[in-house]
Amino acid sequence: DAGVIQSPRHEVTEMGQEVTLRCKPISGHDYLFWYRQTMMRGLELLIYFNNNVPIDDSGMPEDRFSAKMPNASFSTLKIQPSEPRDSAVYFCASSSVYEQYFGPGTRLTVT
Amino acid sequence: RKEVEQDPGPFNVPEGATVAFNCTYSNSASQSFFWYRQDCRKEPKLLMSVYSSGNEDGRFTAQLNRASQYISLLIRDSKLSDSATYLCVVNPPGANNLFFGTGTRLTVIP
Repeated sequence: DAGVIQSPRHEVTEMGQEVTLRCKPISGHDYLFWYRQTMMRGLELLIYFNNNVPIDDSGMPEDRFSAKMPNASFSTLKIQPSEPRDSAVYFCASSSVYEQYFGPGTRLTVT
Repeated sequence: RKEVEQDPGPFNVPEGATVAFNCTYSNSASQSFFWYRQDCRKEPKLLMSVYSSGNEDGRFTAQLNRASQYISLLIRDSKLSDSATYLCVVNPPGANNLFFGTGTRLTVIP
């Protein structure tokens, strides 16, 4: 049974470039969450979707960040333009009730 | 005030020891509570849910104290493989998202 799938696993990019992170949730889960984790701030919720509709995007740091969920099996988190302070691990998680299952994360480094 | 607060540790304990972590939550109407475990450079994984009556899973015991708004995790007979960061997690009322504490780091020493 496949878990949450994220790609890429690692991304190194230069400041100013566009970055797109991808997530495939567990089949049948109707909630999808995007988190960012850093040593300083821990795990922060950026945005979450229910049945492909964004419910709460109050955690999205700035307009440079955007997220979409065009269908039940795919979501993207885009950063444009990227900045060094965006360097972090970005996790996608999905759930059907409250218990969330996390993907392996994308480790983003912006130089 | 943060939604969930934990002592970051680190807790360094010898193998076989018993160790306990506590965390507090700010919203008294919170309904669901969990402990997640995160290994170094890995994703968080659900360790156990926390029920009002308390629950046990092998060497792990979770307790909820609604009156004082704190949650605890007790690990008995610590193993080297228990070394990880333990995240206290709370589901706020009326929502399906989760608030994560910053985690308590545990290292079990041979």
